[in-house]
Amino acid sequence: GEEVAQTPKHLVRGEGQKAKLYCAPIKGHSYVFWYQQVLKNEFKFLISFQNENVFDETGMPKERFSAKCLPNSPCSLEIQATKLEDSAVYFCASSRQDRDPEAFFGQGTRLTVV
Amino acid sequence: DQQVKQNSPSLSVQEGRISILNCDYTNSMFDYFLWYKKYPAEGPTFLISISSIKDKNEDGRFTVFLNKSAKHLSLHIVPSQPGDSAVYFCAASGPNFGNEKLTFGTGTRLTIIP
Repeated sequence: GEEVAQTPKHLVRGEGQKAKLYCAPIKGHSYVFWYQQVLKNEFKFLISFQNENVFDETGMPKERFSAKCLPNSPCSLEIQATKLEDSAVYFCASSRQDRDPEAFFGQGTRLTVV
Repeated sequence: DQQVKQNSPSLSVQEGRISILNCDYTNSMFDYFLWYKKYPAEGPTFLISISSIKDKNEDGRFTVFLNKSAKHLSLHIVPSQPGDSAVYFCAASGPNFGNEKLTFGTGTRLTIIP
């Protein structure tokens, strides 16, 4: 597709439940990024992929968070045993290739942990 | 440790006038700088970028200036239009932009007054 598609748009989970977010990057884009935006402002980098391979996971919390990008499937970000502090908007972005500055963002998934 | 700073949380400008949004950074390894625009409930949209080898880049009503020695960049919008009302994020990347993560500032909310 011509846009980064994120589902669902909103997700509500009770504390301790699992949350799974999906992202379909733009067709032909090699790189996928996940960012977490808390308090409406600060974007925190979580993880990036080059095709199916983890490229940079320096922002991923060591526990409870995992992500995958498998062939012919949307990428996913999974949070096990959600906590109140995981409430945020999670954005996925994709870019074509190296030396291409424009990363295209999806509309985000708002996760609310209650 | 906020490596990219936008010190003005908000800015109001009369329609037709110039809007100037500022951004400072601390990490001298940053090599590429981008501006994104964000409307509520949407993902950030790429506006304009600049490489550290340049001091100015222009695209229509948008111009970005980079002062590398001062570690400062600014976005000029001339003339400002009501549709420019949004939150603007400054972002920075290392030299391998496209596959590197972006480090974002906390954003400046621009309001254009008709």
